[in-house]
Amino acid sequence: DQQVKQNSPSLSVQEGRISILNCDYTNSMFDYFLWYKKYPAEGPTFLISISSIKDKNEDGRFTVFLNKSAKHLSLHIVPSQPGDSAVYFCAAIGSSGAGSYQLTFGKGTKLSVIP
Amino acid sequence: NAGVMQNPRHLVRRRGQEARLRCSPMKGHSHVYWYRQLPEEGLKFMVYLQKENIIDESGMPKERFSAEFPKEGPSILRIQQVVRGDSAAYFCASSPAVHNEQFFGPGTRLTVL
Repeated sequence: DQQVKQNSPSLSVQEGRISILNCDYTNSMFDYFLWYKKYPAEGPTFLISISSIKDKNEDGRFTVFLNKSAKHLSLHIVPSQPGDSAVYFCAAIGSSGAGSYQLTFGKGTKLSVIP
Repeated sequence: NAGVMQNPRHLVRRRGQEARLRCSPMKGHSHVYWYRQLPEEGLKFMVYLQKENIIDESGMPKERFSAEFPKEGPSILRIQQVVRGDSAAYFCASSPAVHNEQFFGPGTRLTVL
């Protein structure tokens, strides 16, 4: 039972264009969401997060949007650069109990930015 | 400020041997987590520790796996009598508090022959 789903295993985008990575969740107890970027043979690197009390958070080229009613979030990267090519993981934390410290991850989306 | 350190980066063991994976959290972080990533999968929670305490080990197999975070020194994930199915990337993360961003180390890639 996957509580965090990234339905697109891969995405290709032209350099300079916008990359949009999507994530859906099923657990209503999730109240904090994070995006991580991962290069091969390295650990995940924290990118950006959003609390459930917000619907948007922006950091430079990265913006995360949260639609709580649809249980959906997305990561926008604009403009996309070749160095953004990596696997992107969506993760969620719950508001209480074990869920408040266990990160639940999606399976990832591999982004390729074509020069 | 050094990030999360893990060693070794790569570990090869034969079936039945023991594997010891080490993790030093970021300075100032007292919360340590271990995750495992199988091929083509996302990371799965294994265990959450604070200094000298296991808070939640519900994600760890009941047998052969153990973890500790002693008062002095790194956190250790120990796998006894390894089997081929234990082959995976094991990641350690740390955070300054719960319900917070977790920062990951580079991982240990365990291969069981």
